[in-house]
Amino acid sequence: ELVLTQSPGTLSLSPGETATLSCRASQSVSITYLAWYQQRPGQAPRFLISGASRRAAGTPDRFSGSGSGTDFALTISRLEPEDFAVYYCQQCGGSPWTFGQGTKVEMK
Amino acid sequence: QMQLVESGGGLVKPGGSLRLSCAASGFIFTDYYMAWMRQAPGKGLEWVAYISGGGHTIDYADSVKGRFTISRDNAKNSLYLQMNSLRTGDTALYYCVRGNYGMDVWGQGTTVTVSS
Repeated sequence: ELVLTQSPGTLSLSPGETATLSCRASQSVSITYLAWYQQRPGQAPRFLISGASRRAAGTPDRFSGSGSGTDFALTISRLEPEDFAVYYCQQCGGSPWTFGQGTKVEMK
Repeated sequence: QMQLVESGGGLVKPGGSLRLSCAASGFIFTDYYMAWMRQAPGKGLEWVAYISGGGHTIDYADSVKGRFTISRDNAKNSLYLQMNSLRTGDTALYYCVRGNYGMDVWGQGTTVTVSS
């Protein structure tokens, strides 16, 4: 099973700062199948990025994805109050589909 | 507007069964893989099962294999999850999702509680 490990578990930042979230895979992932999601409390996850770096419709350009192989990252520039949430990476290129355990971005 | 609406959740005793349904609208249903994801209370996301647009490719998480069955009725734009031999560990919010390269549309979820 391809394991995705996200770090850090929690990121404490202030509005206006930049968040950098890591997603490391136990084996190589095709960028085609690496996605990121945002989940606010009490809400369903929201699709942010596909193909490791392609923003979904409606995703603000302060969100950017990068990486290849086993190391991927989600960067959120100029944090807005609505960005404080939990973020998950996911791979759907091989079975089983797997998610990272999530990174919580909380307000300092 | 693309929409997924789940139904069928509830409280069931261990060993019992439930059938979840998901009504899709606003897109060409047959063009997309569909899947079920779940989230146990206070936990992260877990993939449960997926099915291809034509229904010919299906896969399950090991944790549900042999107990759950995913299916779709393309004439009704509907996705289903038959859950048998339910365990307390299956307690979660179950999401119906659409996706080929990432899950781009999510329903609001239906809650399944397995408890005696």
